[in-house]
Amino acid sequence: SAVISQKPSRDICQRGTSLTIQCQVDSQVTMMFWYRQQPGQSLTLIATANQGSEATYESGFVIDKFPISRPNLTFSTLTVSNMSPEDSSIYLCSVVTSGRRGLGDEQFFGPGTRLTVL
Amino acid sequence: LAKTTQPISMDSYEGQEVNITCSHNNIATNDYITWYQQFPSQGPRFIIQGYKTKVTNEVASLFIPADRKSSTLSLPRVSLSDTAVYYCLVGGLLTGGGNKLTFGTGTQLKVEL
Repeated sequence: SAVISQKPSRDICQRGTSLTIQCQVDSQVTMMFWYRQQPGQSLTLIATANQGSEATYESGFVIDKFPISRPNLTFSTLTVSNMSPEDSSIYLCSVVTSGRRGLGDEQFFGPGTRLTVL
Repeated sequence: LAKTTQPISMDSYEGQEVNITCSHNNIATNDYITWYQQFPSQGPRFIIQGYKTKVTNEVASLFIPADRKSSTLSLPRVSLSDTAVYYCLVGGLLTGGGNKLTFGTGTQLKVEL
């Protein structure tokens, strides 16, 4: 299993500014991901945070807007740059580990960062 | 990507059994089927996972037919605290499955007294 913490838990930011969200895992994991969840919606994958290399972004997300760092196997940051009200959302960090009892992948999520952009 | 289709919402009463079905017609050979539960203001939480046939744990059962193109999450005797969104995911990264772990719309389960 994996326990994930995120900082900050919530923030209110002004348009045009940037916010960096931190994700800390209590064990070393290979696969780490960043998701966005807009109010009342499902989760949308932003990118895969790769340790030691550039993140892999999903369609519709670009590095200039959502730069990601992954300096080691327990930590990652996501920056939301040049924010607009449309970026108001919950941002979640997750990791994938081998499933319990020899089954498939198991995904663990952080508590999320609730971002409001004014 | 293994697209999943679930009912948008379901209503139930305390003490009843709830069955939520998910369709995933293009599931790949190495994909597993995993269900997650999400409460408001929290990240999704693993409930149960299976590959084929039936899996049961302390909170739920998962039924998967032989063709694996659908799955049914069964919650026995639900309570108010089971009110949440339930997501069906099909994929396999570490298992070499062909699909990423993509979240569908989820099913909002509402349990009443």
